[in-house]
Amino acid sequence: DTAVSQTPKYLVTQMGNDKSIKCEQNLGHDTMYWYKQDSKKFLKIMFSYNNKELIINETVPNRFSPKSPDKAHLNLHINSLELGDSAVYFCASSQETGGNEKLFFGSGTQLSVL
Amino acid sequence: RKEVEQDPGPFNVPEGATVAFNCTYSNSASQSFFWYRQDCRKEPKLLMSVYSSGNEDGRFTAQLNRASQYISLLIRDSKLSDSATYLCVVNGVGNTPLVFGKGTRLSVIA
Repeated sequence: DTAVSQTPKYLVTQMGNDKSIKCEQNLGHDTMYWYKQDSKKFLKIMFSYNNKELIINETVPNRFSPKSPDKAHLNLHINSLELGDSAVYFCASSQETGGNEKLFFGSGTQLSVL
Repeated sequence: RKEVEQDPGPFNVPEGATVAFNCTYSNSASQSFFWYRQDCRKEPKLLMSVYSSGNEDGRFTAQLNRASQYISLLIRDSKLSDSATYLCVVNGVGNTPLVFGKGTRLSVIA
């Protein structure tokens, strides 16, 4: 009964490919996020959606396109993958917004671009 | 000055020891503060919120010093299972997102 689930867990691909990561939450939360954790373990927000609407886009290249078909799902599509995209990508959800949110994270997708 | 700064460690302590981590933040308007725990190759999980008056949850005590803009986490009677990276998290202003520190790594040794 995983609260926030993302797939795949591991993704190994070549430069230039297009790939997607899927995320679903069954907590009934209104807000979902994508975070990136790089090799230095620095966790940084990429996007935030509230009720299917984009509310935060933290200067992420437009090769990254989030899509939220409903408030329980937030998928991440990445075009033309680059070496620097290699990282762990975490999906998260929360009920609150505005700085008091308590985040529930998925188990992460380790992306390796060769 | 970085938004949220933590001593990366590692802190290597024996079982039963008391250990404290500090975290400083740059935005004096920040209102919400949290500690998250991240085990190796796992996702971060909320450990506790940090309240103005300080708060305790079992062996864990969190404190906030607004004047000096730092928060702290104290772990008493360390267990092997406390080994993890502890992330300090501070909110931005308005709709700006939460800012994560890089984390402090703790290893509790038998």
